[in-house]
Amino acid sequence: NAGVTQTPKFQVLKTGQSMTLQCAQDMNHNSMYWYRQDPGMGLRLIYYSASEGTTDKGEVPNGYNVSRLNKREFSLRLESAAPSQTSVYFCASSEAPGGTQYFGPGTRLTVL
Amino acid sequence: DQQVKQNSPSLSVQEGRISILNCDYTNSMFDYFLWYKKYPAEGPTFLISISSIKDKNEDGRFTVFLNKSAKHLSLHIVPSQPGDSAVYFCAADAYSGAGSYQLTFGKGTKLSVIP
Repeated sequence: NAGVTQTPKFQVLKTGQSMTLQCAQDMNHNSMYWYRQDPGMGLRLIYYSASEGTTDKGEVPNGYNVSRLNKREFSLRLESAAPSQTSVYFCASSEAPGGTQYFGPGTRLTVL
Repeated sequence: DQQVKQNSPSLSVQEGRISILNCDYTNSMFDYFLWYKKYPAEGPTFLISISSIKDKNEDGRFTVFLNKSAKHLSLHIVPSQPGDSAVYFCAADAYSGAGSYQLTFGKGTKLSVIP
């Protein structure tokens, strides 16, 4: 049981480049989430998917898009990366909306 | 507007003593509270939670206390061990409509347990 996995672990982009962060969970959870964590800050919700086929904006959605590919996978896309998107990105899942969330190991993204 | 506040960025405690981490919140709609522990270069790990209908929840060395009237919760670790050294995040859950909930996190408290 791997839990929540994220790829890649590290990424460096130039301003304006695009990329997709991948997340998968093997716990048969219905809900999935994307957060970002900046130095000295707590985690802030970017987007979430309460169940397969639905996605909703969180606190800081600007500059991001998401796709809930199937029940297992939830990807986060940066269409045109900006230095302000330099951060550590965490994916999480929960059995149901409002349930305890379990986190992946994170992706450390630097935008130059 | 920070809805979940952890006012102590850091805390140092001697091994074997009690660690008390505090958290305040402002949104009275929060109905479920969680503590997460995070080691460097890893994702947060769920530690313990408490529903708003309770005032205490215990799991081994970890106890969370909730004071709803004061909008305050605390995490007690007894006895503290060097392996407890990590950043601890307080989080609060609230219904956000259309069958969805959102977790709001505090900024974290870095606990250092000194051997």
